[in-house]
Amino acid sequence: AQKVTQAQTEISVVEKEDVTLDCVYETRDTTYYLFWYKQPPSGELVFLIRRNSFDEQNEISGRYSWNFQKSTSSFNFTITASQVVDSAVYFCALTANFGNEKLTFGTGTRLTIIP
Amino acid sequence: DGGITQSPKYLFRKEGQNVTLSCEQNLNHDAMYWYRQDPGQGLRLIYYSQIVNDFQKGDIAEGYSVSREKKESFPLTVTSAQKNPTAFYLCASSIGPRGRNEQYFGPGTRLTVT
Repeated sequence: AQKVTQAQTEISVVEKEDVTLDCVYETRDTTYYLFWYKQPPSGELVFLIRRNSFDEQNEISGRYSWNFQKSTSSFNFTITASQVVDSAVYFCALTANFGNEKLTFGTGTRLTIIP
Repeated sequence: DGGITQSPKYLFRKEGQNVTLSCEQNLNHDAMYWYRQDPGQGLRLIYYSQIVNDFQKGDIAEGYSVSREKKESFPLTVTSAQKNPTAFYLCASSIGPRGRNEQYFGPGTRLTVT
């Protein structure tokens, strides 16, 4: 079985502050993929990043960065210098158990950036 | 522009009626998916299709049916057997029939059944 936990249900920060969204995953497979998606108020999920289990290198894309730590089964997402446009629900997701490759989503973190 | 279209954006039905949600993609993706989203919850997989004329049940398939007659289209029918159909429905596609590929989502259909 696989599971994704996003313990932070809602987060509010003032614009320009940094914010980290936590994601903890569970899987028995040694090969797996982790994802982050953004769901703005329009409803459409937007793909942000994919990371496979063999690549623990952290990634930075503009104001976004991701910290993958297999030792703690975490794949955290940090937004630096947050902006109002970052307000959305963010989902972490996991796929493993190849042969039955379904994507398992966490329950999401609603991020509100206060101007 | 390439992408996924879902129609309509909002749909209202009376209890006991079947309703079909449309999903079309022009990304030339092999795999397509249907998810259900309820308030405060993550997405739950209803059905998925890896190739034309083939589809598999997801985690919550009861009360739903699908077809995949064309690569571009994957309509979802919410039947009267679905006990709690009011939800936000999202369609997605991916380039290959593997969960490891990133999925691209449509804008969703919000279904309300009264």
